[in-house]
Amino acid sequence: DTAVSQTPKYLVTQMGNDKSIKCEQNLGHDTMYWYKQDSKKFLKIMFSYNNKELIINETVPNRFSPKSPDKAHLNLHINSLELGDSAVYFCASSFTGESGELFFGEGSRLTVL
Amino acid sequence: KQEVTQIPAALSVPEGENLVLNCSFTDSAIYNLQWFRQDPGKGLTSLLLIQSSQREQTSGRLNASLDKSSGRSTLYIAASQPGDSATYLCAALYNFNKFYFGSGTKLNVKP
Repeated sequence: DTAVSQTPKYLVTQMGNDKSIKCEQNLGHDTMYWYKQDSKKFLKIMFSYNNKELIINETVPNRFSPKSPDKAHLNLHINSLELGDSAVYFCASSFTGESGELFFGEGSRLTVL
Repeated sequence: KQEVTQIPAALSVPEGENLVLNCSFTDSAIYNLQWFRQDPGKGLTSLLLIQSSQREQTSGRLNASLDKSSGRSTLYIAASQPGDSATYLCAALYNFNKFYFGSGTKLNVKP
């Protein structure tokens, strides 16, 4: 039973379209994250939610909108997709605090044509 | 500003060698330091987590150490195997659940 699962695994779409990625965790964690991994494999935090409340919102275009219906789910919606949005998007979760171990999903590879 | 650096970016060793991967961080006020492994096209798998009050953690052939005063962590891999080939990333956890990642070391263990 996958701990952090995200769907879809692959997205190929045209510029200007809107797309969503869904994430669910069954670990009982109170914090969930979205990370972006670029072509150079660098991981950058985009958003973090703690108990459904947004706590981290890095410098991300407002075309990206996260939504957390409950603490086990964190979805990412992207409007008006651009070429530069092509990347792998990872969902992750953890408990808050010193012992917070981060667990990742398998990633969603987005290709914008 | 918190920054995490990993050197070298790539490392190639013959099978059986012991090796050390390095991770340095600029702000010593970390909550914990975590090492991950990433295989091509896959997500990150947690290997070891060292809390700020700890000095090291061990799992099988892996040993991770943490020296907050010098801003360094090392991942020691004993008797490396071709199956260890992957990218290894470290991440430092700071306040407000902020994890900062290094850019990774790509390890190739040659048979």
